[in-house]
Amino acid sequence: DTGVSQDPRHKITKRGQNVTFRCDPISEHNRLYWYRQTLGQGPEFLTYFQNEAQLEKSRLLSDRFSAERPKGSFSTLEIQRTEQGDSAMYLCASSPGRDQYFGPGTRLLVL
Amino acid sequence: QQQVKQSPQSLIVQKGGISIINCAYENTAFDYFPWYQQFPGKGPALLIAIRPDVSEKKEGRFTISFNKSAKQFSLHIMDSQPGDSATYFCAASTYSGGSNYKLTFGKGTLLTVNP
Repeated sequence: DTGVSQDPRHKITKRGQNVTFRCDPISEHNRLYWYRQTLGQGPEFLTYFQNEAQLEKSRLLSDRFSAERPKGSFSTLEIQRTEQGDSAMYLCASSPGRDQYFGPGTRLLVL
Repeated sequence: QQQVKQSPQSLIVQKGGISIINCAYENTAFDYFPWYQQFPGKGPALLIAIRPDVSEKKEGRFTISFNKSAKQFSLHIMDSQPGDSATYFCAASTYSGGSNYKLTFGKGTLLTVNP
């Protein structure tokens, strides 16, 4: 399977804990996006990488959130001191141009 | 401010019927309009996309109609099947610098196709 993969698929954590998600994009795609989707809503943009450079961060991305894409390959999204409002589906997408291809997402539940 | 408005919120269609979902946008800088299909627990899957220089694009049973002057676009699913039952999202993007084409999504339409 050469699609976008994300790990873990599900994460349950307690408020205040740190969590980290991983995204492996389609190998030849140099553009990588993170989105967040809450129940009954469309995905909302969080951040964008071109190769290893993080070029845009949404205002939704508070200072508790950090994302990296070392060497322009896989990407990680870390949430520190999780809050119940962080509960959502975190989606990664990669793109060779305009079309964006999404992974299966990581469902986060903060108790 | 919601930049992409999608309707209806939910839609029930009989097998073989035509499903129509509408979207309207506000930002005239948007120049790429994709539609995504999402099944429960899965990520959105790209269905079809259109640019504003064409008024219609068809791929199989899926057709996008685009009205630039009205700032509206719609998805038509012909011969709808129970397997089409999913949530559909319209989206729009424009160039944001650094080869960034972040998507702005509508709120989604839950389509149910009855057998």
